[in-house]
Amino acid sequence: DQQVKQNSPSLSVQEGRISILNCDYTNSMFDYFLWYKKYPAEGPTFLISISSIKDKNEDGRFTVFLNKSAKHLSLHIVPSQPGDSAVYFCAASLGPEYGNKLVFGAGTILRVKS
Amino acid sequence: EAGVTQSPTHLIKTRGQQATLRCSPISGHTSVYWYQQALGLGLQFLLWYDEGEERNRGNFPPRFSGRQFPNYSSELNVNALELEDSALYLCASSFSLRNTGELFFGEGSRLTVL
Repeated sequence: DQQVKQNSPSLSVQEGRISILNCDYTNSMFDYFLWYKKYPAEGPTFLISISSIKDKNEDGRFTVFLNKSAKHLSLHIVPSQPGDSAVYFCAASLGPEYGNKLVFGAGTILRVKS
Repeated sequence: EAGVTQSPTHLIKTRGQQATLRCSPISGHTSVYWYQQALGLGLQFLLWYDEGEERNRGNFPPRFSGRQFPNYSSELNVNALELEDSALYLCASSFSLRNTGELFFGEGSRLTVL
């Protein structure tokens, strides 16, 4: 049962433009949502998160939007840079009582062309 | 400050053998998580250890097991290896009571089963 889905396996964007990565989830009990970035031969690194009680969180070029009624979140990267090319994983957490166990999507490969 | 470290980086085994993977968490972190990333798939939750005890496990057979030592480092053991166990095994650590769900990942151990 895929509780977190990233339906776009890949995305290609021109440098300087906006990248929008999407994620859908099915479990309304998720408490936190996170985005991780992964380069080849490295472990995933935390990028940005959002609590289920918020609808937007911004950190520099990265903004995450949460639409709870649609069970949908998105990551916006503006402006996109070639160094942003990586695999992006959406993840959801049920909270500390579940040990902050993260449920991951399958990932979206982002390619930023210069 | 050292991040999460994993060893070995690469491991090659044959079917039926046993594999042991090791993980040292970030200093001060008491929770350790193991994830499997098979080729083309997202991260699948394997095991969660906290304060030396197994707190939760994912949908994996019992031949996947592990433990956490008093210094919070952890071992993942995979018995009776099968070809489909070939994957990148990622270890992550966190403060057990934080409610943001942020995990810090190591670079992974690549297991190849021939």
